[in-house]
Amino acid sequence: AQKVTQAQTEISVVEKEDVTLDCVYETRDTTYYLFWYKQPPSGELVFLIRRNSFDEQNEISGRYSWNFQKSTSSFNFTITASQVVDSAVYFCALSGGVQGAQKLVFGQGTRLTINP
Amino acid sequence: GAVVSQHPSWVICKSGTSVKIECRSLDFQATTMFWYRQFPKQSLMLMATSNEGSKATYEQGVEKDKFLINHASLTLSTLTVTSAHPEDSSFYICSARDGRRVAAYEQYFGPGTRLTVT
Repeated sequence: AQKVTQAQTEISVVEKEDVTLDCVYETRDTTYYLFWYKQPPSGELVFLIRRNSFDEQNEISGRYSWNFQKSTSSFNFTITASQVVDSAVYFCALSGGVQGAQKLVFGQGTRLTINP
Repeated sequence: GAVVSQHPSWVICKSGTSVKIECRSLDFQATTMFWYRQFPKQSLMLMATSNEGSKATYEQGVEKDKFLINHASLTLSTLTVTSAHPEDSSFYICSARDGRRVAAYEQYFGPGTRLTVT
């Protein structure tokens, strides 16, 4: 069975602080895909990143960065110099099998609040 | 590209009535569509998976006779909540996948439909 755990239910920081959202996953598949989505108050999911199980390179996109470590089954997300607009619920998700053919399994989400 | 729309974006209905939610892929052919339900402050839970032209596969605990899913074309899937009750009030989100593309793992999400049953 596949499982995604986001242990941090809520995080609140002051603007400009760095914040890391944790994600730990479980899967028996050798090929799988990991995702991060942002869900602002409007409700619409915003795709942030996808990583496949064979690519452990960390990625940076502007203020966002992701650390993928297969040894610890983690795919953590860091926002540097946080801004109020980053306030949202963030979901980590996992899709297993070849070409991610299996269903997408979501973590419980982390509600991030950035205070001015 | 890869836009998915949902209609309506929100709906209020009376208990005991049925309501239909549409999910459309606007610029690609969705061989597979997924329906999720999200209760307030909770995660997305997959309800069912539908492949074009075949019956939907429901997740454990989801009543297939209550949540009717039709995926009759490559661009449209519908979810009908029959005899809705207040406990069915939720945010329903669809996603679509184009299985014929190389990047078949990609799911494109619709904006969601907020259902309130009074």
